[in-house]
Amino acid sequence: AQSVSQHNHHVILSEAASLELGCNYSYGGTVNLFWYVQYPGQHLQLLLKYFSGDPLVKGIKGFEAEFIKSKFSFNLRKPSVQWSDTAEYFCAVNAGDYGGSQGNLIFGKGTKLSVKP
Amino acid sequence: DAGVTQSPTHLIKTRGQQVTLRCSPKSGHDTVSWYQQALGQGPQFIFQYYEEEERQRGNFPDRFSGHQFPNYSSELNVNALLLGDSALYLCASSLGPSGSFIGELFFGEGSRLTVL
Repeated sequence: AQSVSQHNHHVILSEAASLELGCNYSYGGTVNLFWYVQYPGQHLQLLLKYFSGDPLVKGIKGFEAEFIKSKFSFNLRKPSVQWSDTAEYFCAVNAGDYGGSQGNLIFGKGTKLSVKP
Repeated sequence: DAGVTQSPTHLIKTRGQQVTLRCSPKSGHDTVSWYQQALGQGPQFIFQYYEEEERQRGNFPDRFSGHQFPNYSSELNVNALLLGDSALYLCASSLGPSGSFIGELFFGEGSRLTVL
């Protein structure tokens, strides 16, 4: 069965520190990859996504992620975090082609990021 | 522009009872997906509704059922509640079933169900 692993449960950083959140998935075929973010008291929202092409994708608020197919990874990065980046981050996979899994996003358990001012 | 709205925001039930959760999709969206998020876990796909039919279903028992109305709003029903059903139930809407495929899912803030 397809699964998504997020390596860190809780990450604590100081402002201006660099961030990298790990994400690995288990599926041998074509995948679409996503990072969602949930700020305190708010709904889940899309941060960035990868379908094909350039494996380095840029999202909102200075976030980027790199797809490394050989490692089944899609790590999220930000060079310099801000206090406002405090949130929970979820990696998600939609495996298969359009006809196979339209509604089925598989999420990791999430990583809580706390940024100290 | 109204986003995805869910009701109620919180509710408490006892084992064996039944619950109905409601969702209004984002304006212009016609597809609704439901997810269950247990404490400390990521959201888990329950099912998706489009054109008033269940189009896809995750690994959930038949106690979980749903409905979509002509105005695209949706209900999630859970019968014979178990303690393990305690979770945040998220509704997500998209434009067409492919919307979730391409990541254009818009989530509500969820309904938190506690089963005692």
